[in-house]
Amino acid sequence: NAGVTQTPKFQVLKTGQSMTLQCAQDMNHEYMSWYRQDPGMGLRLIHYSVGAGITDQGEVPNGYNVSRSTTEDFPLRLLSAAPSQTSVYFCASSSSGANEKLFFGSGTQLSVL
Amino acid sequence: EDQVTQSPEALRLQEGESSSLNCSYTVSGLRGLFWYRQDPGKGPEFLFTLYSAGEEKEKERLKATLTKKESFLHITAPKPEDSATYLCAVQEGGYNKLIFGAGTRLAVHP
Repeated sequence: NAGVTQTPKFQVLKTGQSMTLQCAQDMNHEYMSWYRQDPGMGLRLIHYSVGAGITDQGEVPNGYNVSRSTTEDFPLRLLSAAPSQTSVYFCASSSSGANEKLFFGSGTQLSVL
Repeated sequence: EDQVTQSPEALRLQEGESSSLNCSYTVSGLRGLFWYRQDPGKGPEFLFTLYSAGEEKEKERLKATLTKKESFLHITAPKPEDSATYLCAVQEGGYNKLIFGAGTRLAVHP
């Protein structure tokens, strides 16, 4: 079972560059979400989706875009990277919503110089 | 104002030395409280969900309890392999999202 797969594992960007973090799950989960994790802080929700074609903002959505064209994929786009976006990013999914157990990917460590 | 606060930030135990981790929350209309374990360089892994005050769940050396204002994760006779960061998260009523605490880093030494 692959579960939740995130790519890449590591990425270094220059300020102003754009990139997409990929997330795919093979469990037919409706709910998918993106978090960032910074030292000394809890996981903070960026965006989430309750199904294909439906997305909503979390706590810290500024600077990030998402779309959900299929049940399996939920990419996170950084349009113009800033040093404040240096973080570890986690994608997570569950069968129906936040009240179900979340399955997390292994994370993407992003550095913006 | 922090909605989910975990304490202590870090805890060092000797193997076999039991202890408890605390998670206090201030959200209204709690729909669920979750405990996750996170190993270095990996994503969090689900441990427990608690839904109502008085509820308890157990798994091996771990036992989670819930009151109206806080949850405890009790670790009985821990082993070095229990070393990890333990995360607490709550779901507030009416919102389809979780709020995470900063975690407790647990180190168990032989």
